[in-house]
Amino acid sequence: GDSVTQMEGPVTLSEEAFLTINCTYTATGYPSLFWYVQYPGEGLQLLLKATKADDKGSNKGFEATYRKETTSFHLEKGSVQVSDSAVYFCALPPSGGSNYKLTFGKGTLLTVNP
Amino acid sequence: ETGVTQSPTHLIKTRGQQVTLRCSSQSGHNTVSWYQQALGQGPQFIFQYYREEENGRGNFPPRFSGLQFPNYSSELNVNALELDDSALYLCASSLYRQGDGYTFGSGTRLTVV
Repeated sequence: GDSVTQMEGPVTLSEEAFLTINCTYTATGYPSLFWYVQYPGEGLQLLLKATKADDKGSNKGFEATYRKETTSFHLEKGSVQVSDSAVYFCALPPSGGSNYKLTFGKGTLLTVNP
Repeated sequence: ETGVTQSPTHLIKTRGQQVTLRCSSQSGHNTVSWYQQALGQGPQFIFQYYREEENGRGNFPPRFSGLQFPNYSSELNVNALELDDSALYLCASSLYRQGDGYTFGSGTRLTVV
């Protein structure tokens, strides 16, 4: 079945550092790919997505490129801020048919220090 | 538009008890999904409701059950609580079969002692 393997944290960075969180997936075909973010005390929010190979999703300075050849969707940000401290989840969407669920990685806790 | 509202935000139950969690879906959404997020883990799919019927289920025992109401709100019921049921329970609303349109609530933190 579908699965997501995500770099486990926690990750602690100083403000303005470069961020990479690795994500690889196993799925049938070429699904869309998502990154969700969970700020302290809040629900999950869709951060960015890519719908086909070589697509780059971007939002709030974060980027991720859909790499079909390596089945990866790594999250990057060039200069993190304290406000980026949160848990980040890589996810596969429902694949249609009888699959109605989002499939999440275990999440990566990011802490950014001033 | 209103978001997804879950209640209560926190509760503590004793092993063997029963619990009901509630979720109000976002305006315009007709589908509700429930997820269990154990500490340090990603959310795990429990089930989904559409048109007041269970539309898909994850690997959870029958003591996890749900309802969806005509206004699209939903309840998650858990019977015979076990210590391992301690988790954050997330509700997400969406339009049916719209894979990238989920809106999540802030969750209910359940602690079983």
